Amino acid sequence: QSALTQPASVSGSPGQSITISCTGTSSDVGGYNYVSWYQKYPGKAPKLMIYDVSNRPSGVSNRFSGSKSGNTASLTISGLQPEDEADYFCSSYTTSSTLIFGTGTKVTVL
Amino acid sequence: EVQLVESGGGLVQPGGSLRLSCAASGFTFSNYEMNWVRQAPGKGLEWVSYTTSSGRTSLYADSVKGRFTISRDNAKTSLYLQMNSLRVEDTAVYYCARGRKYLVFWGQGTLVTVSS
Repeated sequence: QSALTQPASVSGSPGQSITISCTGTSSDVGGYNYVSWYQKYPGKAPKLMIYDVSNRPSGVSNRFSGSKSGNTASLTISGLQPEDEADYFCSSYTTSSTLIFGTGTKVTVL
Repeated sequence: EVQLVESGGGLVQPGGSLRLSCAASGFTFSNYEMNWVRQAPGKGLEWVSYTTSSGRTSLYADSVKGRFTISRDNAKTSLYLQMNSLRVEDTAVYYCARGRKYLVFWGQGTLVTVSS
């Protein structure tokens, strides 16, 4: 199964909003409301930012929000801050009962 | 505090074997499903394997099926990944992570390098 498709990079200025897309198929993103998003800094463990499409774990800033339409999920970061500069990966549960990750998006704060 | 600590990584030749361990603490290990996820240098995250809380059911990515085996010892609160017939493309940082449809807690990872 191929990885979910994300843009390689997205950039924005401090205070702006950016959106990262995550495109899959009806066998993963489109088939379940089990999309999650992870923030990853180089050399560090991934951090769960969004689960079940749009839920934020305790402690995650409300500047991060998630949504889904059809086979495409999205992560929006509003009020972009320098510390948001990181790699972001989406993930989805699949019809094979496995998890699949996205290709990853590098977010740059200009 | 939940802690997951991986160990067992290192340099191995193609065709060789390695066993990774993940020591869990801060939660009732036997109640939770566990996974292994890897990240090759400069690449994205790749889900590798999953096991139920009891260890009776396991799932694998196609890329490792038949070569890797996930297991757990709930008495020792530890998760394992036995990796056989290793290939250069298995070179990655391997993370253990807790969860099923999303992964809430992750270890810091252990580096596996497959090279001659």
